[in-house]
Amino acid sequence: DTGVSQDPRHKITKRGQNVTFRCDPISEHNRLYWYRQTLGQGPEFLTYFQNEAQLEKSRLLSDRFSAERPKGSFSTLEIQRTEQGDSAMYLCASSLGGELFFGEGSRLTVL
Amino acid sequence: AQSVTQLGSHVSVSEGALVLLRCNYSSSVPPYLFWYVQYPNQGLQLLLKYTTGATLVKGINGFEAEFKKSETSFHLTKPSAHMSDAAEYFCAVRKAPGYEKLTFGTGTRLTIIP
Repeated sequence: DTGVSQDPRHKITKRGQNVTFRCDPISEHNRLYWYRQTLGQGPEFLTYFQNEAQLEKSRLLSDRFSAERPKGSFSTLEIQRTEQGDSAMYLCASSLGGELFFGEGSRLTVL
Repeated sequence: AQSVTQLGSHVSVSEGALVLLRCNYSSSVPPYLFWYVQYPNQGLQLLLKYTTGATLVKGINGFEAEFKKSETSFHLTKPSAHMSDAAEYFCAVRKAPGYEKLTFGTGTRLTIIP
């Protein structure tokens, strides 16, 4: 199965630490998305790439958050100086412009 | 801006009974509408989508939804619930072509009573 892959699946960190999540999209999908999902809520859009270009960023993506997709393939989402409010599931999705295919998510717990 | 409202954060139905999950949307332009399902510890899976054309849309696992512009609704139905339908369901909206952002509702957790 070559679906969307996310790593790590779970991350527990202390407040103030930096964390990085990786997303490997479905091969040849040129669009890649990051969403955040907190308990009891639907996924919230964070950012979107078309190939290596980051075309849209949500206001939710504060200056502590940065996402990259350097070669238009995998993407990383880094959170600096984590806060307890960053605890959430971070979802990655990819597409060719139609249906979004989601990974299983990376769950972040900030202590 | 687009938004969706899902009425009922929790819905319980008996096995074999009708499933009805409600979704109302707000959009300044003709929307694209979606229903996704999320099983525990898994990613979201597309159940069905409405873009243009026929307003009654059939999806996977026996689900269907009807786009009603006059009611700004896109309710999800299934005639006969199965135990395996227990999951969280999300309605989502986005603008017509060329706009990538999906806006999700808060979700409805469906419980099936044996």
